[in-house]
Amino acid sequence: GAGVSQSPRYKVAKRGQDVALRCDPISGHVSLFWYQQALGQGPEFLTYFQNEAQLDKSGLPSDRFFAERPEGSVSTLKIQRTQQEDSAVYLCASSLDRVGNTGELFFGEGSRLTVL
Amino acid sequence: DQQVKQNSPSLSVQEGRISILNCDYTNSMFDYFLWYKKYPAEGPTFLISISSIKDKNEDGRFTVFLNKSAKHLSLHIVPSQPGDSAVYFCAASGAGANNLFFGTGTRLTVIP
Repeated sequence: GAGVSQSPRYKVAKRGQDVALRCDPISGHVSLFWYQQALGQGPEFLTYFQNEAQLDKSGLPSDRFFAERPEGSVSTLKIQRTQQEDSAVYLCASSLDRVGNTGELFFGEGSRLTVL
Repeated sequence: DQQVKQNSPSLSVQEGRISILNCDYTNSMFDYFLWYKKYPAEGPTFLISISSIKDKNEDGRFTVFLNKSAKHLSLHIVPSQPGDSAVYFCAASGAGANNLFFGTGTRLTVIP
């Protein structure tokens, strides 16, 4: 497809379960970002990849959160031992170049995680 | 600590009138500003941007104004149309930054 694709769109997990969220960026986009958007809030930065290299993971809220992009294309965000406070929409975005150069991110539709 | 603030959670405007959405920021290192538009159940989509070397950027019905001394920017939509009804996010980036900082959004409703 032409846009950023995320799956699953909706995920319900019991507290303590592990979840994996997938992002398929626009082909050829070098940069990939994960954002977390809680209800009524704006997206908050989690982590950034340039190709396969994770250059910034300063936004990951705890060591239960892990992201990878092993071949510089598809990325997976994994959350271990989910907690209720992890409930949010997880947005993936990609861009041709670094944000500072182009400024425009292309977002997927998001994965809505609900932890019961 | 919210570095980008949108103090109006919602705004209602009559069709054909001007919509003005406001945004304030605290970090003087920000030098690139963007507006994103978000419909329900969709990801945000880029609308318009402005570099700190400018004070105005216009694209059709959308104009963004930047006041660096006040650390304030605004988005003007004129004339407003019902299809403009969405949540609008202001975002900012610093020089060489890896990420965007987003505000909490303003829900615009354009009344036909």
